[in-house]
Amino acid sequence: GIQVEQSPPDLILQEGANSTLRCNFSDSVNNLQWFHQNPWGQLINLFYIPSGTKQNGRLSATTVATERYSLLYISSSQTTDSGVYFCAAVIGGATNKLIFGTGTLLAVQP
Amino acid sequence: KAGVTQTPRYLIKTRGQQVTLSCSPISGHRSVSWYQQTPGQGLQFLFEYFSETQRNKGNFPGRFSGRQFSNSRSEMNVSTLELGDSALYLCASSSRSLSGELFFGEGSRLTVL
Repeated sequence: GIQVEQSPPDLILQEGANSTLRCNFSDSVNNLQWFHQNPWGQLINLFYIPSGTKQNGRLSATTVATERYSLLYISSSQTTDSGVYFCAAVIGGATNKLIFGTGTLLAVQP
Repeated sequence: KAGVTQTPRYLIKTRGQQVTLSCSPISGHRSVSWYQQTPGQGLQFLFEYFSETQRNKGNFPGRFSGRQFSNSRSEMNVSTLELGDSALYLCASSSRSLSGELFFGEGSRLTVL
């Protein structure tokens, strides 16, 4: 079936370090989003990026749709960046149905 | 502009009961979808509605149902609750009918005892 896979599953960083999170998807996508889940469970939108590159402060994302992957870059990480990061894709059809990856749990240590 | 609003935020039920969760989308958004998050299964798609029509349904038993009203507000219902239904239920809305950016509410956290 259609799959969205994230790596690494867990990541521990020291404050100030940079990191790259990866998302692979098994088919062509019509939508690709990155989220950060806050401690209360809400999914916070980071990027809507079906293709190309976007930047927002210390975060940036790149989706290479033809090669079926997306990358989330976090630079100069801060303890507040800790949490779970999800990518999710809409694959095929006239739909807004998102298929989520299993997430990357990021811990930034002071 | 207000975000996606879900009520109630927390609730506790016992096995066999039923529950109704509500979602008010961002003003002007007609697409609403629901997701269930559990530690074991992750984030799974439940339903998708657009203009009061269910367009997709995830792989859940018939105990899970939903609907969307003419003002785009949506409800989901779970009947005959089981312990495994304990989860965070998330609602999302989009301004586009397909492939749009989804915005999520804070979720309804259901505990079944």
